[in-house]
Amino acid sequence: AQSVTQLGSHVSVSEGALVLLRCNYSSSVPPYLFWYVQYPNQGLQLLLKYTSAATLVKGINGFEAEFKKSETSFHLTKPSAHMSDAAEYFCAVSPTGTASKLTFGTGTRLQVTL
Amino acid sequence: DTEVTQTPKHLVMGMTNKKSLKCEQHMGHRAMYWYKQKAKKPPELMFVYSYEKLSINESVPSRFSPECPNSSLLNLHLHALQPEDSALYLCASSQVGTGGENTEAFFGQGTRLTVV
Repeated sequence: AQSVTQLGSHVSVSEGALVLLRCNYSSSVPPYLFWYVQYPNQGLQLLLKYTSAATLVKGINGFEAEFKKSETSFHLTKPSAHMSDAAEYFCAVSPTGTASKLTFGTGTRLQVTL
Repeated sequence: DTEVTQTPKHLVMGMTNKKSLKCEQHMGHRAMYWYKQKAKKPPELMFVYSYEKLSINESVPSRFSPECPNSSLLNLHLHALQPEDSALYLCASSQVGTGGENTEAFFGQGTRLTVV
C-alpha cells in the first residue's frame, strides 16, 4: 500500500523567504507523486507531478520539487514566498500512475507574513 | 478548456430533502470522480467512473447515489443525508489509466454542502 506523510501541518514564512514543504512517501513500486494547492473554498489545482522523467520537477507559480529515492522524499520548494502563496498544500501518491489510485497526505497550511 | 465545472457552489438541505450535485467537463476525459473533503482534512475518494461505468465505490452509504449520464457529466444524488455529511464535495476528471504524462486529475471548485 502506498502513503505519503507531510511533516508540519502548518508552516509560516515571511514574504520573500524560502518555502519548504516536506513530503515523504511509502510505496512498494516506483511511485507517481503530485503536489496540489487548495485556496480557501476552492478545489485542488495541480502544482507539479513526478512521473519518472526527471528528478527535478518544475511546476506553476515558481514551485519545484525534487524526487529523492534514497530519502523517499518529494519536498516542495519555492525560492521566494509571495503573499498569494498562502494556501493548503497536499502531496499525493499513486503507485500505478492512474488518478483513481491517488492517496493524499494530510496537508500543510502555508502562511505568508509581511 | 481545462475546467471541471460544478454546480451549485453552495447547497443547504434538510435531512429529508433530495438534491443533486452536478459536474461537467469537456476535456475528453473518460474517468470521473467524486471526493468528499471535511474541514482541515484531505479529500477522500467516494466514487470512480471509467467509461461511464462505476468502477470504484469506496463503501459509501447508499444515501449518496452517483450517476454518469454521458462522458461529460457526473451527478451525485443526495437523499436523507445526515449533518455529518456536511462537507466540500469535489468532482475530478482524468484520462483513463494511461499512466505517465497523462496521469493527473483535474478538480472542480467544489460544492459546499450543509445538511441541517
